[in-house]
Amino acid sequence: EPEVTQTPSHQVTQMGQEVILRCVPISNHLYFYWYRQILGQKVEFLVSFYNNEISEKSEIFDDQFSVERPDGSNFTLKIRSTKLEDSAMYFCASSEALIQPQHFGDGTRLSIL
Amino acid sequence: SQKIEQNSEALNIQEGKTATLTCNYTNYSPAYLQWYRQDPGRGPVFLLLIRENEKEKRKERLKVTFDTTLKQSLFHITASQPADSATYLCALEPSSNTGKLIFGQGTTLQVKP
Repeated sequence: EPEVTQTPSHQVTQMGQEVILRCVPISNHLYFYWYRQILGQKVEFLVSFYNNEISEKSEIFDDQFSVERPDGSNFTLKIRSTKLEDSAMYFCASSEALIQPQHFGDGTRLSIL
Repeated sequence: SQKIEQNSEALNIQEGKTATLTCNYTNYSPAYLQWYRQDPGRGPVFLLLIRENEKEKRKERLKVTFDTTLKQSLFHITASQPADSATYLCALEPSSNTGKLIFGQGTTLQVKP
């Protein structure tokens, strides 16, 4: 069964550095998402992306965050200048259409020192 | 304020019994609800989606109900097995039509042999 893959599985970065998290969504999916989960807390929506545009973003997704689909297969989340509070598990997800199951990757654990 | 709430206490049941998990929401009018399973260190895995015009949905040993009057969804696992032990998340889309999901905090189920 096709799956969403995320790399790296764990990223350790110094505060203030830029980080790029990478995702390969399922190939025939059209909708892409990033969520994050701080340890012990809820899964939180960051951004949705369709047709090469952001459809919606949360308050968390400020000017330090950006997303890109640089080619036909990858979907990336960039954090320009990381803060301690950015430490979390970041999940990428994709879906064929709206009101359809979202398929999640196993996440990148981001640790900011 | 808008809330989506699940039993925060862990649910411990004996193998073979039926587990019932609750999801209540306030000040949302979702067109559908989804249920996901999350194992430690892994991404959420889709289980069931139920639309507002569906009272009940089943898949193998899983059943979900959706009561828009009570603003509640119930998730049942019949003939539970130790392998069903995990955290179960409910999620809804707050009418944004962008695929954005709002998750509950999850209920951890422990099935004892």
